[in-house]
Amino acid sequence: KQEVTQIPAALSVPEGENLVLNCSFTDSAIYNLQWFRQDPGKGLTSLLLIQSSQREQTSGRLNASLDKSSGRSTLYIAASQPGDSATYLCAPYSGNTPLVFGKGTRLSVIA
Amino acid sequence: EAGVAQSPRYKIIEKRQSVAFWCNPISGHATLYWYQQILGQGPKLLIQFQNNGVVDDSQLPKDRFSAERLKGVDSTLKIQPAKLEDSAVYLCASSRSASGANVLTFGAGSRLTVL
Repeated sequence: KQEVTQIPAALSVPEGENLVLNCSFTDSAIYNLQWFRQDPGKGLTSLLLIQSSQREQTSGRLNASLDKSSGRSTLYIAASQPGDSATYLCAPYSGNTPLVFGKGTRLSVIA
Repeated sequence: EAGVAQSPRYKIIEKRQSVAFWCNPISGHATLYWYQQILGQGPKLLIQFQNNGVVDDSQLPKDRFSAERLKGVDSTLKIQPAKLEDSAVYLCASSRSASGANVLTFGAGSRLTVL
């Protein structure tokens, strides 16, 4: 059974800082991994989907890396802005089971 | 492209009452999901539909929860009778197919408070 852990649970940084969010998963036999953003009171928005054959995926100031063998993924946010404040969730996909989500990292970027 | 529509956005009921949530997925999306998200937790899959057939309902508390997707489009999720621990946000999502290569699009969610 896939288990997903996200560290840290919460993070507060000043505007402009670069930061890294961590995601670890127990079953490394995955097809891909998605990173989502969730704003308070809202649904989830998919940010990046990284395939198991890829090591990195980039979108704007976001960069996701995947080390499937060690069961880890990181989301790097460059030059953080107050608008980046949200909860970030990762979800590995194993093919024969539904997406399993971590509890998320709650990010606050202070102006 | 219109997003995933859900209603109602908020619902407050007393325990043992019933409630129903509605979801309209993105047009053409064959796969529809209902997730339960308890405060401070990640979403947990309740049920997955492929067109109007159930793919996975292993985590659905079938003694009180039911869901249907008539005609393979809209879906409703019902809870009867509700318990205090059912207080959560119920998220509907859809994707083109059940393949994990497809990005899921989520609705804004329906927040349920059971008193």
